[in-house]
Amino acid sequence: QSALTQPPSVSGSPGQSVTISCTGSSNDIGGYNRVSWYQQAPGTAPKLIIHDVTIRPSGVPDRFSASKSGNTASLTISGLQAEDEADYYCSSYTRSISCVFGSGTKVTVL
Amino acid sequence: QLQLVESGGGVVQPGGSLRLSCAAAGFIVRGYGMHWVRQAPGKGPEWVAVIWHDGSKKYYSDSVRGRFTISRDVSMDTLYLQLNSLRVEDTAVYYCATEDGDFSHMGSWGQGTLVTVAS
Repeated sequence: QSALTQPPSVSGSPGQSVTISCTGSSNDIGGYNRVSWYQQAPGTAPKLIIHDVTIRPSGVPDRFSASKSGNTASLTISGLQAEDEADYYCSSYTRSISCVFGSGTKVTVL
Repeated sequence: QLQLVESGGGVVQPGGSLRLSCAAAGFIVRGYGMHWVRQAPGKGPEWVAVIWHDGSKKYYSDSVRGRFTISRDVSMDTLYLQLNSLRVEDTAVYYCATEDGDFSHMGSWGQGTLVTVAS
């Protein structure tokens, strides 16, 4: 199972919005509503910020939102803040009863 | 988030074996399906294996199937990952994580334990 495709990096100024795409196939993203997103700061474990395509866990700021269309999922960070600088990974359940992560996107706050 | 603590990592030669453990602090692991996820230095996370909350089902990634075994001890409320026939490319930080849905997302993660395979 190949990693889902994400852009290596995105950047924005404080207050701006950035969107990260995550492209898979009908065997994963397109076939199931089991897409999740994780935020990872350097030296720490990934942290769940979105699950089941659009659901934000308790405690995650509402500036994080997500969606899915076909084989592509997207994460949007609105009102970018300095603390949002981190690596972001998407993940999906797959037809082969497994899980696949994305290649990762580094978000830089200018 | 629930607190998970991994242990058992270390340095091992290619072809060697290691057993990783994952214990929970303040909650009961056996109520959750559990994953192992690894992350090689400078790379993204890679899913390794999952075990159902009751241990009835186990699934593995293609890269570890036949070499790694996920298990859980209900009495000890502990998750394990037995790593056999280790390869240099298995070098990574290994995390355990709870399955908080229907094989849909990992809600709580441990801090990870480093496995280094080198001669």
